[in-house]
Amino acid sequence: LAKTTQPISMDSYEGQEVNITCSHNNIATNDYITWYQQFPSQGPRFIIQGYKTKVTNEVASLFIPADRKSSTLSLPRVSLSDTAVYYCLVGVPTGTASKLTFGTGTRLQVTL
Amino acid sequence: AAGVIQSPRHLIKEKRETATLKCYPIPRHDTVYWYQQGPGQDPQFLISFYEKMQSDKGSIPDRFSAQQFSDYHSELNMSSLELGDSALYFCASSLVALGEGNSPLHFGNGTRLTVT
Repeated sequence: LAKTTQPISMDSYEGQEVNITCSHNNIATNDYITWYQQFPSQGPRFIIQGYKTKVTNEVASLFIPADRKSSTLSLPRVSLSDTAVYYCLVGVPTGTASKLTFGTGTRLQVTL
Repeated sequence: AAGVIQSPRHLIKEKRETATLKCYPIPRHDTVYWYQQGPGQDPQFLISFYEKMQSDKGSIPDRFSAQQFSDYHSELNMSSLELGDSALYFCASSLVALGEGNSPLHFGNGTRLTVT
């Protein structure tokens, strides 16, 4: 399974756009890229998923270059409540191989 | 919408005791995953089940076992508990049968196990 590398921490002011990049040089052809958000003492929460190019939903955008060796989660106009740990996971669960591994996430701190 | 339900939310056990954690996946989800998250650490994959059969194994100690039942709920059994087993245990479910990778994990809020 592809190993992921993210910045350990990031700081931002409220109202700014935050971009978190994840490197996954060994991504396999069938792998999807999924981002999760985790608050203290809560389970990770799905944010966005993509395979290539750009994906956007109501909370974030995900940019994936053509070589798919990295991906960037973009959070527009962050607020204090976006302070959390963000994880990117790479893989595709199947019936016989459902091991999705968390790497070291990015701790985002948003301040006024 | 229905979410993944885990019970109990909190559990306190003494060393060498046993513990059973339960997970009720989202209805119609066919895959269950268990993760362990120690204080200040990232979630560590323990084990997963697809259609009631063990699918994958991670860093799960031999003292731990798990199974998925006919109603798709899953239980993580932990024996000979050690202080180092104190952690948050998360269960997640997904619908693998959707295929094409569009099967994100949906997590419960975890069981906090404290071993004294």
